[in-house]
Amino acid sequence: GIQVEQSPPDLILQEGANSTLRCNFSDSVNNLQWFHQNPWGQLINLFYIPSGTKQNGRLSATTVATERYSLLYISSSQTTDSGVYFCAVVLSNDYKLSFGAGTTVTVRA
Amino acid sequence: NAGVTQTPKFRVLKTGQSMTLLCAQDMNHEYMYWYRQDPGMGLRLIHYSVGEGTTAKGEVPDGYNVSRLKKQNFLLGLESAAPSQTSVYFCASSYDWYNEQFFGPGTRLTVL
Repeated sequence: GIQVEQSPPDLILQEGANSTLRCNFSDSVNNLQWFHQNPWGQLINLFYIPSGTKQNGRLSATTVATERYSLLYISSSQTTDSGVYFCAVVLSNDYKLSFGAGTTVTVRA
Repeated sequence: NAGVTQTPKFRVLKTGQSMTLLCAQDMNHEYMYWYRQDPGMGLRLIHYSVGEGTTAKGEVPDGYNVSRLKKQNFLLGLESAAPSQTSVYFCASSYDWYNEQFFGPGTRLTVL
């Protein structure tokens, strides 16, 4: 079955809007990362967050490991936030980083 | 620090040709990985290495070979390229499985 599920698959935002992306996973995790893949294909590390809450500028993330989900918050979105956001986990019964299918975010000016 | 670098950035091959992709990292990481990304999908692990001189198969290893002769370098080889290997290839490194992985800029490979 699907081990890492991301929602929604697509998100269209007006510049300045806030949004929440969700990542559900099937088991306890030893590693959870959020990435932004920009329109040029570059993968950018956003957060390493197997548990707890972190903030970096307009972005923040929360992982509730006991309930098997993580949330990525984008506040005051900008056009440069456009791209695909991936959640990736190392499940406790596995060894590799497993990626979700991603959420495609489009921010319109 | 350059982080993780990959060469080449782009390559076009004909079916049956061979090539090697080079990954280098300057973070003194033990673990290194090769992934492929196909359109509309997340990344899938091809091969990985847990230290100099070691390699192991990942999720989709068929058609690829790897070598880790030096700690800082991880090579991915295609002996006889096939159109199904058209993809974007990413290299990554980390201290171990449970620590943050850092990715290179990717290599876009087209096999005709």
